[in-house]
Amino acid sequence: DTEVTQTPKHLVMGMTNKKSLKCEQHMGHRAMYWYKQKAKKPPELMFVYSYEKLSINESVPSRFSPECPNSSLLNLHLHALQPEDSALYLCASSSQLAWGETQYFGPGTRLLVL
Amino acid sequence: TQLLEQSPQFLSIQEGENLTVYCNSSSVFSSLQWYRQEPGEGPVLLVTVVTGGEVKKLKRLTFQFGDARKDSSLHITAAQPGDTGLYLCAGHAGNMLTFGGGTRLMVKP
Repeated sequence: DTEVTQTPKHLVMGMTNKKSLKCEQHMGHRAMYWYKQKAKKPPELMFVYSYEKLSINESVPSRFSPECPNSSLLNLHLHALQPEDSALYLCASSSQLAWGETQYFGPGTRLLVL
Repeated sequence: TQLLEQSPQFLSIQEGENLTVYCNSSSVFSSLQWYRQEPGEGPVLLVTVVTGGEVKKLKRLTFQFGDARKDSSLHITAAQPGDTGLYLCAGHAGNMLTFGGGTRLMVKP
């Protein structure tokens, strides 16, 4: 089983709203990632968690706040977003944050900020 | 910053034709993955190649990793409309994954 699940599949929010994206995997993976993908572009790394600790923050604005409550769950809390933050948000996981580990992606959450 | 260049960016072909997508870099990668992505969905892993010169086959898809581990290719034989999608190569250098710009393939019936 190489499944990463994400909820919700679609999300529409206003610029003053607070919402959260959820990602879950039950593969025993200890590294989890958030990516942002704009239309017709490859995914761009946002955050990396390793063993539930934030390892990498790719200079993401503070209106995006990641959280890893346990080894199977990864959340992305959204607050005061801008219309340009509209994108497909992808979660991925790998066995660990190490050399050459394959990343498995979830189906994504399509976010529209009005 | 490691860069991966994919070519072509767009490809529109008829069903039954063959095609090759290239992924090139000036950097050495410890491994390279190929993904296929449909609109509004996450990338689905097709293959991981790790050894220079390695060739892997997945039905009508043939993947090759260059001897120097700086480049890779994906060859599709007798393309079908179901092959339509965005093909992404992604290389590992250390812990992180660098994506190529993607090749958007359309196979017309």
